Amino acid sequence: ELKVEQNPLFLSMQEGKNYTIYCNYSTTSDRLYWYRQDPGKSLESLFVLLSNGAVKQEGRLMASLDTKARLSTLHITAAVHDLSATYFCAVDWGAQKLVFGQGTRLTINP
Amino acid sequence: SAVISQKPSRDICQRGTSLTIQCQVDSQVTMMFWYRQQPGQSLTLIATANQGSEATYESGFVIDKFPISRPNLTFSTLTVSNMSPEDSSIYLCSVEDPKGTNEKLFFGSGTQLSVL
Repeated sequence: ELKVEQNPLFLSMQEGKNYTIYCNYSTTSDRLYWYRQDPGKSLESLFVLLSNGAVKQEGRLMASLDTKARLSTLHITAAVHDLSATYFCAVDWGAQKLVFGQGTRLTINP
Repeated sequence: SAVISQKPSRDICQRGTSLTIQCQVDSQVTMMFWYRQQPGQSLTLIATANQGSEATYESGFVIDKFPISRPNLTFSTLTVSNMSPEDSSIYLCSVEDPKGTNEKLFFGSGTQLSVL
């Protein structure tokens, strides 16, 4: 059974600071997604990482994938309030079926 | 990208009744997925719906409780049958990238269901 664990589950940080969200998964997969969810909203696709060593960046967010360690990270640089949301990683365990992590609720304070 | 419309966006239902949720996509897609997000929780896959075949259900979900239709390549429905308060959740449909790049999965806006 594939398990996906994120940490931390809750993160409160100040604007301008850097931080990293970690996503560990238990079995081999070559496809990992990061999504953002605002309260009461659906999921917004941020990144899809397809291979070992993949790194993608969009604005203040950067995601990476280490398939050997079964670890993905989402790094936030110089955080701004608009990035406050819940972030999910999700692992494809076959045929585009996703197993989601618990989510990290990120709050960025002025 | 894919534009996904879900209806209704929210509903409040009585125990014992059923609700059908519709998912319409602006492009033809082979695979559509239905997820449930219980309050404050992560998402769990209910089933995969491919056009022309029976839906495939994940462990813990059964067809009698969550019947699914997939009449064509742009539309699917999920019914939540004989509802109880434990069914209160957000239900989301998801589709593969219509361009067939297998790189992205897109989610609908969700249906927030409350069962009294």
